[in-house]
Amino acid sequence: KNEVEQSPQNLTAQEGEFITINCSYSVGISALHWLQQHPGGGIVSLFMLSSGKKKHGRLIATINIQEKHSSLHITASHPRDSAVYICAVAMDSNYQLIWGAGTKLIIKP
Amino acid sequence: KAGVTQTPRYLIKTRGQQVTLSCSPISGHRSVSWYQQTPGQGLQFLFEYFSETQRNKGNFPGRFSGRQFSNSRSEMNVSTLELGDSALYLCASSLDWGLSYEQYFGPGTRLTVT
Repeated sequence: KNEVEQSPQNLTAQEGEFITINCSYSVGISALHWLQQHPGGGIVSLFMLSSGKKKHGRLIATINIQEKHSSLHITASHPRDSAVYICAVAMDSNYQLIWGAGTKLIIKP
Repeated sequence: KAGVTQTPRYLIKTRGQQVTLSCSPISGHRSVSWYQQTPGQGLQFLFEYFSETQRNKGNFPGRFSGRQFSNSRSEMNVSTLELGDSALYLCASSLDWGLSYEQYFGPGTRLTVT
């Protein structure tokens, strides 16, 4: 079983839809990162969470430490949101960063 | 503030050769982490350097090594290249070590081993 599981693996939606991407983990963590990777490879850090909820523009990230679960939400999705969204956890035992497999999101106009 | 820079951006090497990749962090950032990304394995953590010391290491063979200089710039070296080393190598910098700080990624170095 992978230590970090993301769902769904692939998601196609229409412009304007509300998007939710989930991340579950099985290890103790000191922080959870949500990142965005566009075609071509560039990775951008979206959020770093250790508790609660963060919002940046149309993006919202939440984490439930007890349930070992985090969600990334995109409101009023737009084609430019099309990218791979990756969840990564910083393990509190050895400070390594463990990556989820990513969710490939396509927003159609 | 300039972002994280990596050089070279693209590299082609043959099996058995060695390669050195460079990463310059954002000014003021003292931690540099390295990652390998392949289509089959996804993103994997290689190592993290802070104040010229390796703080964390992932599960990679000893052919993969790195170092950090006093100006926080970091280099990664892969010796005796294998075909499976073909990947995108990403570095990220952050203010402090331990991976609980926001990571800022460079554009990556795409290494092809033939």
